[in-house]
Amino acid sequence: AQSVTQLDSQVPVFEEAPVELRCNYSSSVSVYLFWYVQYPNQGLQLLLKYLSGSTLVESINGFEAEFNKSQTSFHLRKPSVHISDTAEYFCAVSTPFSGGYNKLIFGAGTRLAVHP
Amino acid sequence: EPEVTQTPSHQVTQMGQEVILRCVPISNHLYFYWYRQILGQKVEFLVSFYNNEISEKSEIFDDQFSVERPDGSNFTLKIRSTKLEDSAMYFCASSTGLAGDEQYFGPGTRLTVT
Repeated sequence: AQSVTQLDSQVPVFEEAPVELRCNYSSSVSVYLFWYVQYPNQGLQLLLKYLSGSTLVESINGFEAEFNKSQTSFHLRKPSVHISDTAEYFCAVSTPFSGGYNKLIFGAGTRLAVHP
Repeated sequence: EPEVTQTPSHQVTQMGQEVILRCVPISNHLYFYWYRQILGQKVEFLVSFYNNEISEKSEIFDDQFSVERPDGSNFTLKIRSTKLEDSAMYFCASSTGLAGDEQYFGPGTRLTVT
């Protein structure tokens, strides 16, 4: 079985500061990895995903995440955050070989609060 | 940009009542999912649906739950006899089903059972 651990439930940070949201996973098989973001009163939106190839993946709004197989991690980073980045961030895994049509297994979420 | 829609946004019901949560997936998607998030807890997988049948369900998805695609556009989740512990945000998602393809989520329905 797979599991996802997000080590920080809340991360407060000042605007323009760097941030890292941590995610570790457990799986006995290869996984796909995702970061979803949930803005207040909205659904989950895909931020970025790792399927294969380059271990560093980037989103269009400046976030990046690096897949580290040896540490089973997929931490999300941004060098300079904006007030508008305030949201809940969810790390998730999917198992391509499960036969379960790629259900997502989520972490508990990290609330990023950006302060002026 | 196509999006998944869900109705209602908020449903209040009494314990023991039946509720139907509705979703309209993205039109060319073939795989459909329901997830739920109890307040303060993780988003949990409930069920996946493909080709008019359940392809996988979690242990949460017991006999009081059912899903249906009654026509070519809607995807519903029915809870036959609601319990207090069913209070949660319910998310519908859809995808093409291609390996690693993202799931697109709706805004959710907040179900409150009193």
